[in-house]
Amino acid sequence: GAVVSQHPSWVICKSGTSVKIECRSLDFQATTMFWYRQFPKQSLMLMATSNEGSKATYEQGVEKDKFLINHASLTLSTLTVTSAHPEDSSFYICSAVLGRNFYEQYFGPGTRLTVT
Amino acid sequence: AQKITQTQPGMFVQEKEAVTLDCTYDTSDPSYGLFWYKQPSSGEMIFLIYQGSYDQQNATEGRYSLNFQKARKSANLVISASQLGDSAMYFCAMREGSLRGGATNKLIFGTGTLLAVQP
Repeated sequence: GAVVSQHPSWVICKSGTSVKIECRSLDFQATTMFWYRQFPKQSLMLMATSNEGSKATYEQGVEKDKFLINHASLTLSTLTVTSAHPEDSSFYICSAVLGRNFYEQYFGPGTRLTVT
Repeated sequence: AQKITQTQPGMFVQEKEAVTLDCTYDTSDPSYGLFWYKQPSSGEMIFLIYQGSYDQQNATEGRYSLNFQKARKSANLVISASQLGDSAMYFCAMREGSLRGGATNKLIFGTGTLLAVQP
């Protein structure tokens, strides 16, 4: 089956620093990837849609200058949390769509970010 | 506006018994897709089952089946013969629009149901 990886799986950083999270589709090409955020005991909230070779589409209320998304290749999308603050601490999950006409999204294992 | 509602924050079930997890949805689009995902404590989202709005039959995948009642806008997940490994958070999700019509595969998730399987 399709596999999506995320790196790192967890990260602790100091307030004010930036953190980059990678999302890779290991055995397929993904023209579209999604970034979600999940607070403890809550649901997944879509942050943005990442399309290869074009700018990401952000959901309402998500600061594009704070959460920088780059989808430079068909197998890699990155999310950079800039000037992180404790309220950015969360579980970040990416997903990748297999092809253009396939309905399944394959999720990465998630990255737990803690900002101190 | 599209919305997914899961009214059961938590459920208990005895091992080997069946359990139904509720999901209702709201959409004005005649074409949509409904998904169920399992999230164990490790955090990864595991795809379980999919139901398209125009599918004539209820979807089934092994021990998972989806009780799709279109008129009621419900898409309940039925897990038969529960196993201890089924203990996890379960999310219902919806994608609006058909892929031919340019749907983006964007998913909206419900709040989830925490299932605990007891031995």
